Amino acid sequence: AQSVTQLDSHVSVSEGTPVLLRCNYSSSYSPSLFWYVQHPNKGLQLLLKYTSAATLVKGINGFEAEFKKSETSFHLTKPSAHMSDAAEYFCVVSALSGAGSYQLTFGKGTKLSVIP
Amino acid sequence: DTEVTQTPKHLVMGMTNKKSLKCEQHMGHRAMYWYKQKAKKPPELMFVYSYEKLSINESVPSRFSPECPNSSLLNLHLHALQPEDSALYLCASSSRTESTEAFFGQGTRLTVV
Repeated sequence: AQSVTQLDSHVSVSEGTPVLLRCNYSSSYSPSLFWYVQHPNKGLQLLLKYTSAATLVKGINGFEAEFKKSETSFHLTKPSAHMSDAAEYFCVVSALSGAGSYQLTFGKGTKLSVIP
Repeated sequence: DTEVTQTPKHLVMGMTNKKSLKCEQHMGHRAMYWYKQKAKKPPELMFVYSYEKLSINESVPSRFSPECPNSSLLNLHLHALQPEDSALYLCASSSRTESTEAFFGQGTRLTVV
């Protein structure tokens, strides 16, 4: 069984300041982990993924995340927030299901607000 | 091309109508998914097709009927929906073996009146 906990439902930062969105996971096997971003009334866009290679993963738009097995965490960071980063962010864990396809388990999401 | 295309973008339908949502991908992915997303909630898995066969049905009511005519197309047929079925419906695809990430379409915003 697998699960994802996003520790903050809402994070508010000022433009130009660092962003930290926290995620803890639980997985029976070596997980694949992802961060997706969703702007209002849009689909989900993949920001970055961890699939057991480097533990520090760089994604699009200046985001990165570090996989820490000992802490079962996969926190998302960005050095400097931009107004366009305001969106909903989902931490997701993936595992192969018994039916032979990968199933995604979503966290509840973190809404990021960026203050001018 | 890493795009999943969904049509229509918006749909308003009455409770007695029959409509269909369409999804298309040309990435050669052999797994395709339908998700339902209510406001301020994460997506909820509805159906999974693997190699054009329905592999997972998450206890979805029969008024939702999925169809996978070929490896690039996925449909969701809607009939006799209820107002509580109003939501954003997302299609996604993934490679069954080479990678695990899913690529999502922009969604269809469905309103049932």
